[in-house]
Amino acid sequence: GQQVMQIPQYQHVQEGEDFTTYCNSSTTLSNIQWYKQRPGGHPVFLIQLVKSGEVKKQKRLTFQFGEAKKNSSLHITATQTTDVGTYFCAPRGGYSTLTFGKGTMLLVSP
Amino acid sequence: GAVVSQHPSWVICKSGTSVKIECRSLDFQATTMFWYRQFPKQSLMLMATSNEGSKATYEQGVEKDKFLINHASLTLSTLTVTSAHPEDSSFYICSASPTGVAGELFFGEGSRLTVL
Repeated sequence: GQQVMQIPQYQHVQEGEDFTTYCNSSTTLSNIQWYKQRPGGHPVFLIQLVKSGEVKKQKRLTFQFGEAKKNSSLHITATQTTDVGTYFCAPRGGYSTLTFGKGTMLLVSP
Repeated sequence: GAVVSQHPSWVICKSGTSVKIECRSLDFQATTMFWYRQFPKQSLMLMATSNEGSKATYEQGVEKDKFLINHASLTLSTLTVTSAHPEDSSFYICSASPTGVAGELFFGEGSRLTVL
């Protein structure tokens, strides 16, 4: 599987603040997926990015795929307590099996 | 979305016993299923890829004789932790995709194993 670095490992914000997590690879990726795992729960698929420079939005969530297809980011605008959880990027290179980054744990205080 | 069900959710067993965990795709057929292991506050570590009708593919460092995987049908894969020890205590999660290995993954609810 593809190895990536995901930063930060942990972030604590106040409700209403923005949040961004980054996923960086040393090699070119064919695509990247993002998942969210709530505490005590299982990962849930959020999005898949395939094209260079792609930007996708889901309400307050904005996902980007870098031009070189080596990095990606997830930005949450005006966080809410329901955004609490760990966000994982899951990059894929070629036809390799999907593996997961270490994740960014987000804590939102009301 | 597709539904993957995992059973049991919780299991406590004595050291030296074996435990079987089932993973079912409820509304789609899955020729491939994936088994992950997750320690507290850590990422998901891929253990093996389960292939229907053939042997599973194990990741480096995962003992295939200890973690037996059987994928006997297109909707069921099982993971058996043999001769479990306390260090095997973990959260085991399966996943599958209705669109093949390149598609989005749907995860089971996970099985929390505690070995006493």
